[in-house]
Amino acid sequence: GQQVMQIPQYQHVQEGEDFTTYCNSSTTLSNIQWYKQRPGGHPVFLIQLVKSGEVKKQKRLTFQFGEAKKNSSLHITATQTTDVGTYFCEAGTALIFGKGTTLSVSS
Amino acid sequence: GAGVSQSPRYKVAKRGQDVALRCDPISGHVSLFWYQQALGQGPEFLTYFQNEAQLDKSGLPSDRFFAERPEGSVSTLKIQRTQQEDSAVYLCASSLVGRWENSPLHFGNGTRLTVT
Repeated sequence: GQQVMQIPQYQHVQEGEDFTTYCNSSTTLSNIQWYKQRPGGHPVFLIQLVKSGEVKKQKRLTFQFGEAKKNSSLHITATQTTDVGTYFCEAGTALIFGKGTTLSVSS
Repeated sequence: GAGVSQSPRYKVAKRGQDVALRCDPISGHVSLFWYQQALGQGPEFLTYFQNEAQLDKSGLPSDRFFAERPEGSVSTLKIQRTQQEDSAVYLCASSLVGRWENSPLHFGNGTRLTVT
């Protein structure tokens, strides 16, 4: 069946460093969503990507959807302690979530 | 309410007991989803409702799991004869339109179920 793989599983950075998480699918996706889950919290929607090669920005966050619509990335520039949490990608209509990348930030 | 509401927030059950978890979605949201999230894992899909119709229950792990949404709003996830492997956070999410129209999921805070 369809799988969504996320790497890395964990990432620790110093505050101010950049961070990237990658999401790879075994099949072509119609769309992909990204969510953030703070420790002890619930997933919160960040963005939806639909078009091949799409790039969207939200302040320090940049989201990309690959040309083949099989992979996606989330890049955070100059991380802050408020960025701590687990970032999940979700393959839309299949409702499949990746296992997430847990980001920790030390100041 | 403003968001998706789930109750109880925490539930401890003895192995073999039945439990019922409630989800109150955002008013007017057509779609309702149940997910199971084990510690350190991503949410795993259990079942999907469009209004009162359960259109997909492919993720329910066994026939001990049952979900309903009789009036197209509040939903209940019932687990019969709970087992230790059922211990997890159960997340409910709703979205404005149908599943295949790809609107964002709005999650509740979840119910943490511990089976002893």
